[in-house]
Amino acid sequence: DTGVSQNPRHKITKRGQNVTFRCDPISEHNRLYWYRQTLGQGPEFLTYFQNEAQLEKSRLLSDRFSAERPKGSFSTLEIQRTEQGDSAMYLCASSRQLGGGGPVTDTQYFGPGTRLTVL
Amino acid sequence: AQRVTQPEKLLSVFKGAPVELKCNYSYSGSPELFWYVQYSRQRLQLLLRHISRESIKGFTADLNKGETSFHLKKPFAQEEDSAMYYCALNSGGYQKVTFGTGTKLQVIP
Repeated sequence: DTGVSQNPRHKITKRGQNVTFRCDPISEHNRLYWYRQTLGQGPEFLTYFQNEAQLEKSRLLSDRFSAERPKGSFSTLEIQRTEQGDSAMYLCASSRQLGGGGPVTDTQYFGPGTRLTVL
Repeated sequence: AQRVTQPEKLLSVFKGAPVELKCNYSYSGSPELFWYVQYSRQRLQLLLRHISRESIKGFTADLNKGETSFHLKKPFAQEEDSAMYYCALNSGGYQKVTFGTGTKLQVIP
């Protein structure tokens, strides 16, 4: 399978613990995105990387959240001191930057998600 | 601020009936609009985008700037169309996509 992969697929943790999720994008994709999706809602944008640079962060991304993409390949999303409100599906997507003259927005390819449950 | 509204959480239609999934957006500029679909136990995937003006799996969507709408239509629903559909937009020239809350389409055999 050459699609976007995410690990772990499920994570159950106790309130106050730290968790880290990993996303491996499609190999030739230089852009990577994190979204959060809660029950009954659509995905909410969290952050976006172009290569290793984090270009945009949502206000949803509190100080307890940090994302990295150190070598421009895989990315990690860490949540410190988890709260019950952090329970959600965390989605990763990747895309290949399009050339000039085409649509502004890349086609994003999504991973299966990591479901976080904070007890 | 950009916002996407999908008024229906669930839409049930009979096989062979026409389908229209509603989407309204708020943004004053020239957004890019998309429809994403998630079939049961599968990943979220792009179905179509307005600038392509193409039909995918029999679905079409026309951007109506006057009504700020981007409704998804199909003349004859099939059972395999049953899925969750999300309308989305990107407005800023950045890669930040805003999704609606989704509509579950249920096609009754």
